[in-house]
Amino acid sequence: AQKVTQAQTEISVVEKEDVTLDCVYETRDTTYYLFWYKQPPSGELVFLIRRNSFDEQNEISGRYSWNFQKSTSSFNFTITASQVVDSAVYFCALSDTYTGTASKLTFGTGTRLQVTL
Amino acid sequence: EADIYQTPRYLVIGTGKKITLECSQTMGHDKMYWYQQDPGMELHLIHYSYGVNSTEKGDLSSESTVSRIRTEHFPLTLESARPSHTSQYLCASSDQRGNYGYTFGSGTRLTVV
Repeated sequence: AQKVTQAQTEISVVEKEDVTLDCVYETRDTTYYLFWYKQPPSGELVFLIRRNSFDEQNEISGRYSWNFQKSTSSFNFTITASQVVDSAVYFCALSDTYTGTASKLTFGTGTRLQVTL
Repeated sequence: EADIYQTPRYLVIGTGKKITLECSQTMGHDKMYWYQQDPGMELHLIHYSYGVNSTEKGDLSSESTVSRIRTEHFPLTLESARPSHTSQYLCASSDQRGNYGYTFGSGTRLTVV
């Protein structure tokens, strides 16, 4: 069975601080995909990144960066110089890769990030 | 610009009423999903579909039903709404491999009084 754990339920930071959101996953698959989604107060889930289990390179996109470590089954997300607009709930998710069937995403319980002035 | 549409955005309805939550996507995706989201944020898969005429129950038992008569349309129906059905319902779709992430709709926030 697949499982995603986001141990941090809620994080509060002051604007311009860096913040890291933790994600630990469990799977028996050798090939899988990891995702991060952002859910702003408006409610929709916004796709941020997808990472293939074979690609352990870290990725940076503007103020966002992701650290994938297969050895510790972690896929952490860092926001540098946080802004108020980053306030949202962030979900980490894991997908199976069975061809020809519905690839279901298993979500973590989410981390609520509050960025204040 | 959204490629997956959910209506209504908000719905307040009385106990015992029948309701249908609409979900449509314009991306030609074969796979579609319904998630129920607790007030505590956790997302639970309640239904999914591989394609037309294919529907499966998800990980969380739900009293709702779904249908998939057309590729673009995946409505969810509650025959008799109860206060325990109060939740946010999120519809999503993905391509055949499903590995490029899901595209989510804006959700329907349902309140049953």
